Amino acid sequence: QQQVKQSPQSLIVQKGGISIINCAYENTAFDYFPWYQQFPGKGPALLIAIRPDVSEKKEGRFTISFNKSAKQFSLHIMDSQPGDSATYFCAASKTNAGNMLTFGGGTRLMVKP
Amino acid sequence: EAGVAQSPRYKIIEKRQSVAFWCNPISGHATLYWYQQILGQGPKLLIQFQNNGVVDDSQLPKDRFSAERLKGVDSTLKIQPAKLEDSAVYLCASSLDQGQGYEQYFGPGTRLTVT
Repeated sequence: QQQVKQSPQSLIVQKGGISIINCAYENTAFDYFPWYQQFPGKGPALLIAIRPDVSEKKEGRFTISFNKSAKQFSLHIMDSQPGDSATYFCAASKTNAGNMLTFGGGTRLMVKP
Repeated sequence: EAGVAQSPRYKIIEKRQSVAFWCNPISGHATLYWYQQILGQGPKLLIQFQNNGVVDDSQLPKDRFSAERLKGVDSTLKIQPAKLEDSAVYLCASSLDQGQGYEQYFGPGTRLTVT
């Protein structure tokens, strides 16, 4: 059972463009939604996270938009740079499950110069 | 601050052989996680430790996988016997505590190929 579905699987964006990655979840008990960035040969690293009490969170060029009624959230990368080329994972966790994360399938982003 | 250390970085074994992976978490981190990341997929949690106790191992194939965290610091993950479908990157992560929202810091992983 895939509890967190992520799309698209791959994305190509021109430098300076906006990259948008979407995730949908099924379990309404999820209440913490982090995004991770993974470069080849490295482990994932936390990028930004959101809780459902806000609809948007922005950190620099990265923004999470959250739609609780639709059970969807998305990552927007503004002014995308070649250095942003990586695989991005959304994840979700439940308060009563401690810090256990359920990850989406990942999106491979390539930003062309 | 040193990150999460894992070894070996790469391992190739034949099916039915055994293999062990080692993880040294960030100093002071009470919670340690082992994930399996199959090529093209997101990480899947196998087991979570709090100090030297198991918090959750519901997704660990216990007939072939085992893990321990002696003295609440380093951890080892063992597979015996290995199957072809065990080919994956095994990631270790640690966090300061097990509460929701504590950032998980990942190591570089061990890439296992089972032939």
